[in-house]
Amino acid sequence: DSGVTQTPKHLITATGQRVTLRCSPRSGDLSVYWYQQSLDQGLQFLIQYYNGEERAKGNILERFSAQQFPDLHSELNLSSLELGDSALYFCASSVVAGGLGYNEQFFGPGTRLTVL
Amino acid sequence: AQKITQTQPGMFVQEKEAVTLDCTYDTSDPSYGLFWYKQPSSGEMIFLIYQGSYDQQNATEGRYSLNFQKARKSANLVISASQLGDSAMYFCAMREPYNKLIFGAGTRLAVHP
Repeated sequence: DSGVTQTPKHLITATGQRVTLRCSPRSGDLSVYWYQQSLDQGLQFLIQYYNGEERAKGNILERFSAQQFPDLHSELNLSSLELGDSALYFCASSVVAGGLGYNEQFFGPGTRLTVL
Repeated sequence: AQKITQTQPGMFVQEKEAVTLDCTYDTSDPSYGLFWYKQPSSGEMIFLIYQGSYDQQNATEGRYSLNFQKARKSANLVISASQLGDSAMYFCAMREPYNKLIFGAGTRLAVHP
């Protein structure tokens, strides 16, 4: 158990709908990362927050948005869903946002999204 | 741009034997970090081992070791004494600025009894 929690574990929805994925980082971790794992794109970085502020953006679609709340949990919002959005969405957390050294990211169990 | 390449889509190994999973990387940044993660069929990402670009020695963690050849830009994972539970996907990753990770395509390892 990494200490990172994600809810829900599975989500099945229809095209055009909107969903929210939730992540609680490990206690003490200020940085949260979202990754998408799909058959087409592999594992790719979406977005990063550090202590409530967006720090880095990857290949995140405009239909997707995220935020990190004062209690440090984060939500990833996916709207106007398409079949291609079906994927495993991981949240990870780390103590710091960058710099040298180890800075291991601890991954949550993921949310498997299926768009029908 | 930074890039991670894993050229082996699938590998087979006999139980109790050693196996090497290949990873090459490309970066112009002199300071970087390389990670290996294991993803079993259950889906979670399990951290295995880390190598920093300035580390003088190859990293080791139990049965896992990293064959780090900086000049060749390779960071191969060596699993010794393979076990059936080692059957999984293995991902090599590089840390980019702000600590985000870029991943290779992965290698699926099957351990045969």
